[in-house]
Amino acid sequence: GQQVMQIPQYQHVQEGEDFTTYCNSSTTLSNIQWYKQRPGGHPVFLIQLVKSGEVKKQKRLTFQFGEAKKNSSLHITATQTTDVGTYFCAGRGIGNMLTFGGGTRLMVKP
Amino acid sequence: DAGVIQSPRHEVTEMGQEVTLRCKPISGHDYLFWYRQTMMRGLELLIYFNNNVPIDDSGMPEDRFSAKMPNASFSTLKIQPSEPRDSAVYFCASAGNYNEQFFGPGTRLTVL
Repeated sequence: GQQVMQIPQYQHVQEGEDFTTYCNSSTTLSNIQWYKQRPGGHPVFLIQLVKSGEVKKQKRLTFQFGEAKKNSSLHITATQTTDVGTYFCAGRGIGNMLTFGGGTRLMVKP
Repeated sequence: DAGVIQSPRHEVTEMGQEVTLRCKPISGHDYLFWYRQTMMRGLELLIYFNNNVPIDDSGMPEDRFSAKMPNASFSTLKIQPSEPRDSAVYFCASAGNYNEQFFGPGTRLTVL
C-alpha cells in the first residue's frame, strides 16, 4: 500500500534558526496536505498543494510539492517558540485515501 | 460552529471493559474519520465513513474494534473488550470534501 515517510523524526533548533521537514511518498500523489499539532493538541490543517512543482508561502512557512508529485517539504524561516509542535504531511494517492506521514517533532530553544 | 466534538476527553478503564468513544462531526461534512495516535505507531487511520456509510475499515486493528455512524451528526468507536495496548489518543475528524480534515480534540484512553 501507499507509504508516506517523513524525515527527520525530531529536530532541535535554536530560536531564529531555520527548519525543514521532508516528506516522501512511495507512490505518485494527487495532492499533499500539511498539518501542525501542538503538544497536547490535535492536528490542524495548514495547507494543501496540488500542482507539480507548486510552492506556497504562509508568512515564515514555505511549502513545496515536488515535480514528480512524490515528495514535499516544509521550510520555516527564523523559527520562533510558537513554532513548536509536530508537523505532519498527508498524501492523497490511489483511491483518494489520505495517508499521514510519521511527523517531525520540532523543538525550539529560546 | 463548535468544530468536531468528542467525548469523553479522558477515559481510564480496566482491561476487559467495554469502551465507547463518541464523535459529533461538523454539520454538513460528508466524511468522518477515526484515527488512533501513539508514540510508537504515530497517527493511524482506523476507519472512515462517507455519508454515514463505512468505506474503508482496513485500519481497524481487530474484531474488538467496531465503529458506527447511525446518522450524519453522530459516530461511535467501540472497543470490547479493551486491552492495555489500546491505550492511545483517539481522534475523530470530519471533512466536507476531499480537502482539509478538521480534527476533534481527541479522547485520551488509558486501559489499566
